[in-house]
Amino acid sequence: QSVLTQPPSVSAAPGQKVTISCSGGSSNIGRNYVSWYQHLPGTAPRLLIYEDNKRPSGIPDRFSGSKSGTSATLGITGLQTGDEADYYCGTWDSGLNGGVFGPGTKVAVL
Amino acid sequence: EVQLVQSGAELKKPGESLTISCKASGYSFTTYWIGWVRQMPGKGLEWMGIIYPGDSDTRYSPSFRGHVTMTADTSISTAYLQWSSLKASDTAMYYCARRVAVLGRGDWFDPWGQGTLVTVSS
Repeated sequence: QSVLTQPPSVSAAPGQKVTISCSGGSSNIGRNYVSWYQHLPGTAPRLLIYEDNKRPSGIPDRFSGSKSGTSATLGITGLQTGDEADYYCGTWDSGLNGGVFGPGTKVAVL
Repeated sequence: EVQLVQSGAELKKPGESLTISCKASGYSFTTYWIGWVRQMPGKGLEWMGIIYPGDSDTRYSPSFRGHVTMTADTSISTAYLQWSSLKASDTAMYYCARRVAVLGRGDWFDPWGQGTLVTVSS
């Protein structure tokens, strides 16, 4: 049972936009950076967003991150079939003194 | 290029011991934490713990403390995850990842190793 909450799945047609929420509390998202990871089957997870809203080099600007209070959001615009994957939020929990991941959200491109 | 290369898949019996490895290259191994993440079949990512190779400081998730041991050999830039007595429930994919931390603000993992599949079955 994660301390972070994500919807199990989201879906949209190619070219459309999806948003994935990640809800936590004052000891995790409320005081620490959120990161987002894309996990395609059979591959290593890939960092998409760090420090709440920054993209590493090589990550398209179709991916965006935001945070407000104890919730964070990942947005994906111009959805492509290659975006079908599991997406995880992650952060540090100051109360647990350890890291946590959300349960993951499966993105389906209809 | 920063890279983490993990050891190959393992098939073990319950009660056996196991060590898997994660070899780092392309950066100063002693100045970044290495994290370990478990993914059980059909499940999500679980934060297991982190080790700082510079001084072997470790932090374990309560869920894994006492069941696994994290170590590092700075002479060969390699981190290890060890079990002394495996259980069937340890069957999972295990990832290592370099942890980038901002003091007092949080952290993230980048890059990740390709994963090591551990299967424990009698």
